[in-house]
Formats: sequence, C-alpha cells, structure tokens
Amino acid sequence: DGGITQSPKYLFRKEGQNVTLSCEQNLNHDAMYWYRQDPGQGLRLIYYSQIVNDFQKGDIAEGYSVSREKKESFPLTVTSAQKNPTAFYLCASIPAGGSNQPQHFGDGTRLSIL
Amino acid sequence: GENVEQHPSTLSVQEGDSAVIKCTYSDSASNYFPWYKQELGKRPQLIIDIRSNVGEKKDQRIAVTLNKTAKHFSLHITETQPEDSAVYFCAASSGGGADGLTFGKGTHLIIQP
Repeated sequence: DGGITQSPKYLFRKEGQNVTLSCEQNLNHDAMYWYRQDPGQGLRLIYYSQIVNDFQKGDIAEGYSVSREKKESFPLTVTSAQKNPTAFYLCASIPAGGSNQPQHFGDGTRLSIL
Repeated sequence: GENVEQHPSTLSVQEGDSAVIKCTYSDSASNYFPWYKQELGKRPQLIIDIRSNVGEKKDQRIAVTLNKTAKHFSLHITETQPEDSAVYFCAASSGGGADGLTFGKGTHLIIQP
C-alpha cells in the first residue's frame, strides 16, 4: 500500500535538544516537502527537495535542517535554535516538481516542549 | 513571495444550505490552486483543485471557480451535510507546485443541524 509515513506521531523536546522527524514515502515521488502548522493557522513551508542531494529553504527555515540522501526519505531536524518548536509538522510529496500534481500529506508529527 | 488571504475565518450554515469560501492571491504567476479539508487532529486531504487554464471545476457537491484577472478563487459546497464540518484551506503555487504551496489561514465550517 503506497503512501507517506511520518514518525513518531508524538514527540517531546527538552531545552537545548535537537530532534529529528522522519518522513518516508514509497510512491517513487521526486519532490518532498515539510510544512509546519500552528493552532488556528494554515500550513507554512519549511524546506523542500525536488531531487536527491538537493534541497531549498522555504518561508520559515530558520532553526531547522534537512537532508535528502535517498529518494524515499526526507528527515527534518528541529534544532535548539528553533525557540518555538511546538507545532504540528506535516510532510508531503509529489511525483515531480513542476507537474501541477496535488500534494498528499502524511499523518503528521506533533512536537511539544517538555 | 506569494500571499494568500482566506475569508471568512468561521462560517456557520444550516444543513442543506450552501457554503462559499473565498481566497485571494498576490502572485500573478500562480497557476495551481488546491483546496484541502482538515478534520481535528488529522492531515489535510485534497478535495478539489483547479489549474489556471480553467475557470470552473465541479465534483458532485463541490465546485471551485477561478478569476485570474481579479486573482481570486472560491470554494462552493452545496447541500451541506454534517460531515462537511471541518477546517478548509485554500492554497496557491506557481511553477506547477515545484516550490511548494502557500496556504490561506483556513475557514472553520460549521454545519448546524
């Protein structure tokens, strides 16, 4: 069954700690995206990658980092520099950038501060 | 960059009536406009989308209209049902979505029985 898998579903971060959110897809999609959603707000783009070993900053990249070593995986690290990390994080993918294909989302990871 | 404004933030309608949600965008290069429905604690799910070469698209009780000149697009839901209650988001992108989507802040649609 093809889809996007995000883990963990819930994550807690201590002060000064880096945490990594996992996003895996078995759809053979080229492009992958990370969004952040705050309560009562729309989604905001953090980072995206259109091809392996390449990625670009979105609108709110400060305090986050990503890697794209494999086509199917696009992990997001929330660093200690992100002072307000509590949010719902959503990963999405499309077959290829520029294809006007709809983005489909994973089930998300809810990150909270301890 | 792109900016998407969405109105209203909350919309309450009687079951069976129609609901209309409106969005405006700023980047004239935007060419793809999806609408998502999100239930509490769940992921957004695509309900309909429209591309800039089309003025209107329908799918059963849902329709979207696009006015490129005015840079606005709208979601229309007819014969509303209780299961339509959710938060709806509009979004826009240029370059076929390559650089990600810019979302509105959402509309909380409440269907009154």
